[in-house]
Amino acid sequence: KQEVTQIPAALSVPEGENLVLNCSFTDSAIYNLQWFRQDPGKGLTSLLLIQSSQREQTSGRLNASLDKSSGRSTLYIAASQPGDSATYLCAVAGANNLFFGTGTRLTVIP
Amino acid sequence: NAGVTQTPKFRILKIGQSMTLQCAQDMNHNYMYWYRQDPGMGLKLIYYSVGAGITDKGEVPNGYNVSRSTTEDFPLRLELAAPSQTSVYFCASSYLTRGGVDQPQHFGDGTRLSIL
Repeated sequence: KQEVTQIPAALSVPEGENLVLNCSFTDSAIYNLQWFRQDPGKGLTSLLLIQSSQREQTSGRLNASLDKSSGRSTLYIAASQPGDSATYLCAVAGANNLFFGTGTRLTVIP
Repeated sequence: NAGVTQTPKFRILKIGQSMTLQCAQDMNHNYMYWYRQDPGMGLKLIYYSVGAGITDKGEVPNGYNVSRSTTEDFPLRLELAAPSQTSVYFCASSYLTRGGVDQPQHFGDGTRLSIL
């Protein structure tokens, strides 16, 4: 069974810092890997989706990488802002399922 | 843009009661999903559907039922509510063509359900 782990569980950084969130998974047979953002009391918003054949995806200040062979993905956030404060979830796609990590709760301090 | 709409947003049930959580999407997505999110845990798949008339179990289906009579709607039913079903329930949808380019899942805002 696929296991997805996210480290750290929580992170506080001052505004303007660059930061990296980590995600690891146990089974490399995946269709894609997705990074989501979840604000308190809200649903999940998709940030980036990396197909299994891709190595990275970029959107604005966000860059996600995927290394299937080592079972790892990173989400890089450049020049962090207070509005980036949220929980970030990593999910890997099997045939008909997404397996989620428990998330990293990010706080960006003004 | 409505996206994925879930109703109700909050509900308190007594043990043994039944209810249906509603989910509707207006993006013509073929896949729909129900997840539950317990505090401090990742989301776990309850049921999913690959199209109208087709449903299948996910990781934690016990105590739940679903139906998919239309492309747009995917209701989740709890028949005999138990305290262990206290959770936040999320519905999601996506358009997938295996072998093509995967599209991300779109989520509703969730239903917060307490069983007392």
